[in-house]
Amino acid sequence: GQQVMQIPQYQHVQEGEDFTTYCNSSTTLSNIQWYKQRPGGHPVFLIQLVKSGEVKKQKRLTFQFGEAKKNSSLHITATQTTDVGTYFCAGWGGGNKLTFGTGTQLKVEL
Amino acid sequence: EPEVTQTPSHQVTQMGQEVILRCVPISNHLYFYWYRQILGQKVEFLVSFYNNEISEKSEIFDDQFSVERPDGSNFTLKIRSTKLEDSAMYFCASSEEGTSPGYEQFFGPGTRLTVL
Repeated sequence: GQQVMQIPQYQHVQEGEDFTTYCNSSTTLSNIQWYKQRPGGHPVFLIQLVKSGEVKKQKRLTFQFGEAKKNSSLHITATQTTDVGTYFCAGWGGGNKLTFGTGTQLKVEL
Repeated sequence: EPEVTQTPSHQVTQMGQEVILRCVPISNHLYFYWYRQILGQKVEFLVSFYNNEISEKSEIFDDQFSVERPDGSNFTLKIRSTKLEDSAMYFCASSEEGTSPGYEQFFGPGTRLTVL
């Protein structure tokens, strides 16, 4: 079945440093979504990418969908303590099933 | 702002017992989902539900699981005979639409199931 992997699994940064998580799918995706889960919380939708090579920005967050629609990345510029949490990509491969990636846990230290 | 609600927040049960986890999706949403997340791991898809029937299910969703929309607001997940490995956080989610171009899914706060 479809597998979605993310690297790194964990990332510790100093506040102000940049952060990037990479997402790779074993199959081509029709679209990809990104979710953030705060410690002890539930996944919260951040964004969706649909087109090959698409790039979207939300303030300090930049999301990219690969040309082959099998990979994606999330880049955070100048991290803040409020960015702490686990970031999941999630892909629609077909049908009504969203497959979540393995997640990247971000910790931000002052 | 409308939100997905789930009850109970924590359920403790004995192995072999039946549990029912309850969810109230956002009122105008049409697609409903159950996911589970074992502590520290990824979110795993269990089942999607549309128009009063299952539209897709994962290999995890075997015969011990069932879902139901008993009325116009509730969406339930039943686990018939719980096992130790069913211990996890169970999230309900809903969306206005389902498949691509896709719509965001709104997640509930989750029910933590502990099987002893």
